[in-house]
Amino acid sequence: SQQGEEDPQALSIQEGENATMNCSYKTSINNLQWYRQNSGRGLVHLILIRSNEREKHSGRLRVTLDTSKKSSSLLITASRAADTASYFCATPHDRGSTLGRLYFGRGTQLTVWP
Amino acid sequence: DTAVSQTPKYLVTQMGNDKSIKCEQNLGHDTMYWYKQDSKKFLKIMFSYNNKELIINETVPNRFSPKSPDKAHLNLHINSLELGDSAVYFCASSPWDLNNEQFFGPGTRLTVL
Repeated sequence: SQQGEEDPQALSIQEGENATMNCSYKTSINNLQWYRQNSGRGLVHLILIRSNEREKHSGRLRVTLDTSKKSSSLLITASRAADTASYFCATPHDRGSTLGRLYFGRGTQLTVWP
Repeated sequence: DTAVSQTPKYLVTQMGNDKSIKCEQNLGHDTMYWYKQDSKKFLKIMFSYNNKELIINETVPNRFSPKSPDKAHLNLHINSLELGDSAVYFCASSPWDLNNEQFFGPGTRLTVL
């Protein structure tokens, strides 16, 4: 299975602190994506990093990708209570026969306390 | 201006009933998906359609039947509902490319009593 796995399963921090979540996956990929899910809502795409990129920024988000270790990290800087959500990494399959399949991890539940 | 919409948002029904969930996207995407999210938030793909053609059909009981009348709609019909079908069902859409960035609907919480 190419499923990603996030670590930790749960993370609790104070507002203003940084939050780091990790994702490991099993086989080769052409990109890795991070999604956020607020309680009771659908998933929202945050950022995509390609396999030839090592780091990518978007606002307060920083994503790294290490293809040699098959791992990625998502850093949220200066966290806010509104960042409280579950965060998922996802990897698409890069083979034509399963084009369209996106594998999700089980997510990290981030809680940011005011 | 909702991009991916699903109806209903909540569905409570008795075991053995048949129910449908509807999904529509106005993003012009070629591909649509149905996912099931269990109580532990594990998100598993069930089906995928590309231009009304079924391309992914995971190991899902044949009580579940997707229908795509056009590429903007993908409905999910469930026959003979069971307790284990209780979950949140998400519809999603994406362009047909290797990036596969997906756009999700708000979900339908199905409770089978």
